[in-house]
Amino acid sequence: AQSVTQPDIHITVSEGASLELRCNYSYGATPYLFWYVQSPGQGLQLLLKYFSGDTLVQGIKGFEAEFKRSQSSFNLRKPSVHWSDAAEYFCAVGPKAAGNKLTFGGGTRVLVKP
Amino acid sequence: SQTIHQWPATLVQPVGSPLSLECTVEGTSNPNLYWYRQAAGRGLQLLFYSVGIGQISSEVPQNLSASRPQDRQFILSSKKLLLSDSGFYLCAWNDRDYGYTFGSGTRLTVV
Repeated sequence: AQSVTQPDIHITVSEGASLELRCNYSYGATPYLFWYVQSPGQGLQLLLKYFSGDTLVQGIKGFEAEFKRSQSSFNLRKPSVHWSDAAEYFCAVGPKAAGNKLTFGGGTRVLVKP
Repeated sequence: SQTIHQWPATLVQPVGSPLSLECTVEGTSNPNLYWYRQAAGRGLQLLFYSVGIGQISSEVPQNLSASRPQDRQFILSSKKLLLSDSGFYLCAWNDRDYGYTFGSGTRLTVV
C-alpha cells in the first residue's frame, strides 16, 4: 500500500532563513507527487507537483521541491521564508491511474519567528 | 475557469442529528470528486470518491455516506452524527490532468 511520511510535525524557522520540509513515500512505482499548503481554517492550495522529467520542480510562492527516486523523497524547500509562509504543509502521492486518489502525509506545521 | 464551492463553512450539530454537506463544481464536466476529513492535528483521510454520477467508492467504514446526484454535485451525509464525526471536511475535484483543487472546507463540531 502507498504511504507518505512527513517526519517533522512542527518546524520553527526565523523569517529570512531557509526552510526544508521532508517527505518520504512508499509506492510500487513512480507516483505523482504533490505539495499543498493549508492556512488555518482554509482549504488546501497546490504549491507544486511532479509528474515526470526534471526532478527539480518550481512552484508558487518561491517554493521548489526535488524528487529523488533513490531515496523515495520529495523534499520541499524555500531559500528565504516570509512570515506569511506560516501554515501547515502536506506532501501527497497519487498513482498514474484512473481515479487518482491522493494519499497525504500527516503534515508539517511551520511557525515563523520574527 | 473552474471553481469549487463547499458549504456551510462551519456547522455545530448535536449527537444523533443528521448531516448534509454539499459540494459543487463549476467550469468542468465529469470530474473525479472526493471527500476528505481532517481530524484535529492530523492529516487528511480520504472518505469517498466518485468518478461519475451515482458511482461512489468508500475508503473507510464509518457513519457517513456520499452521493453524487448530478455530474458536478457531491454530497456527504449522515443519518445520526457521532462525536467522532467532528472534523474539517474538504471536498476536492480532479480533472484527470491532476488539477486537484480543494474547496474551502467545512468545520463540523458535534456536541
